[in-house]
Amino acid sequence: DAGITQSPRYKITETGRQVTLMCHQTWSHSYMFWYRQDLGHGLRLIYYSAAADITDKGEVPDGYVVSRSKTENFPLTLESATRSQTSVYFCASRGGTGRSGANVLTFGAGSRLTVL
Amino acid sequence: KQEVTQIPAALSVPEGENLVLNCSFTDSAIYNLQWFRQDPGKGLTSLLLIQSSQREQTSGRLNASLDKSSGRSTLYIAASQPGDSATYLCAVETGTYKYIFGTGTRLKVLA
Repeated sequence: DAGITQSPRYKITETGRQVTLMCHQTWSHSYMFWYRQDLGHGLRLIYYSAAADITDKGEVPDGYVVSRSKTENFPLTLESATRSQTSVYFCASRGGTGRSGANVLTFGAGSRLTVL
Repeated sequence: KQEVTQIPAALSVPEGENLVLNCSFTDSAIYNLQWFRQDPGKGLTSLLLIQSSQREQTSGRLNASLDKSSGRSTLYIAASQPGDSATYLCAVETGTYKYIFGTGTRLKVLA
C-alpha cells in the first residue's frame, strides 16, 4: 500500500530498555520527520532528515537517535527509555527538492509508547 | 521566535452551521501554512496548504485564507456535519524545514 506506515502502533516498555519505532514511506519523499505529541505541548519535532544519510536535530532530540540509510525508512530509537518519553510519536514526510513551499506534509498513524 | 496560536481551544456547534476556525502566527516570514484534521487516536490528515504567495485555498466545503501581514489564517467550514467533529490544527513552515504547530481547536458538531 502506498503511504507512510509506522510500527508498532502500540508499545509498552520498561524504563531503561531500548525501543525502536519504525517509519516507512513509499513515495520516495526526500524529507522525513519525527514528532512527539503530548497534552499541553502539542507537536514537537524530535529529528528530521533531508535525504538518506542526512539528519538533524529538532526541538527535543535528547534521548533519541535516528538513522536513514535508505530514503524510504527513518527509524527512531530510544536508547534507554524514560517515563518522560511516554508519548504518541508521529512520523511525517514531504516531497520536493526546493523551497517552493508547495509540498504537503503527510503523517503516519502514530505509535503510542508507554514507558513504565 | 515563531509562535502559533489557535483560539478557541474547543468549539461546539449545531449541525448545518457555518463556522470559522482561527490560527495566528507571530512572524510573517513563512513559506506556507497548512491545515490538518486529527481524529481521536489517529494521525494528522492534511486538509489544505496555502503557499505564502496565495490568499486562499478551497476544497469542497472547506476554505482557508491567509493574511501574512496580519499573521492570521482562517479555516471556514460550510454547512457543518457531525463527521466534521475532530481537532483541527494549523502549522506554519518556517525557513529551515521546520513546522510550528498550533495546539488545535477541538470541534464538536452536534446532530
